[in-house]
Amino acid sequence: ETGVTQTPRHLVMGMTNKKSLKCEQHLGHNAMYWYKQSAKKPLELMFVYNFKEQTENNSVPSRFSPECPNSSHLFLHLHTLQPEDSALYLCASSQAGKHSNQPQHFGDGTRLSIL
Amino acid sequence: DAKTTQPNSMESNEEEPVHLPCNHSTISGTDYIHWYRQLPSQGPEYVIHGLTSNVNNRMASLAIAEDRKSSTLILHRATLRDAAVYYCILLIQGAQKLVFGQGTRLTINP
Repeated sequence: ETGVTQTPRHLVMGMTNKKSLKCEQHLGHNAMYWYKQSAKKPLELMFVYNFKEQTENNSVPSRFSPECPNSSHLFLHLHTLQPEDSALYLCASSQAGKHSNQPQHFGDGTRLSIL
Repeated sequence: DAKTTQPNSMESNEEEPVHLPCNHSTISGTDYIHWYRQLPSQGPEYVIHGLTSNVNNRMASLAIAEDRKSSTLILHRATLRDAAVYYCILLIQGAQKLVFGQGTRLTINP
């Protein structure tokens, strides 16, 4: 069961290409997240959006540009990426709040390969 | 962020209970203990969380030490589908930044 859908599942691109990753959540959540999972490294939080506003940027290079047009959709625009950016990119959503302990729900990720 | 320590890997047999330990000696009073797991080729999946008391749900049980410096995730009857990497994460109420470590890779033998 997945209330968080990511497309595409796999993406191969050259360093000069521009592409976008898409995430959609059907859970009615108010927060969305991008994570990066590189080979042999732990998952790293990249961005946090609450009610469409970016509230966290974890020192991510500007070649990654997130966009959150509404609470259900999240994009990650990619341009002039480097080979070390090859990784699994995971989207998550949650019902966030000051007193919330609601878990984050993850999609199955986009496997990105940079040639 | 307070850190957690987990064994790199564990192995168990199908239909037997599995006890996955987590040490968090620097835990603060406001930290909740969360467990997630990641099955092969999938995103992480929430398992359970607790603060002080032991917790049970349909997936697992969470046993928390009285001093809260350690906890144990218990899978009562492991199946092959429980083979995954299990992550123990500390999070204060309302916080959104999940900090994943390397986790414990659980192998289930048929």
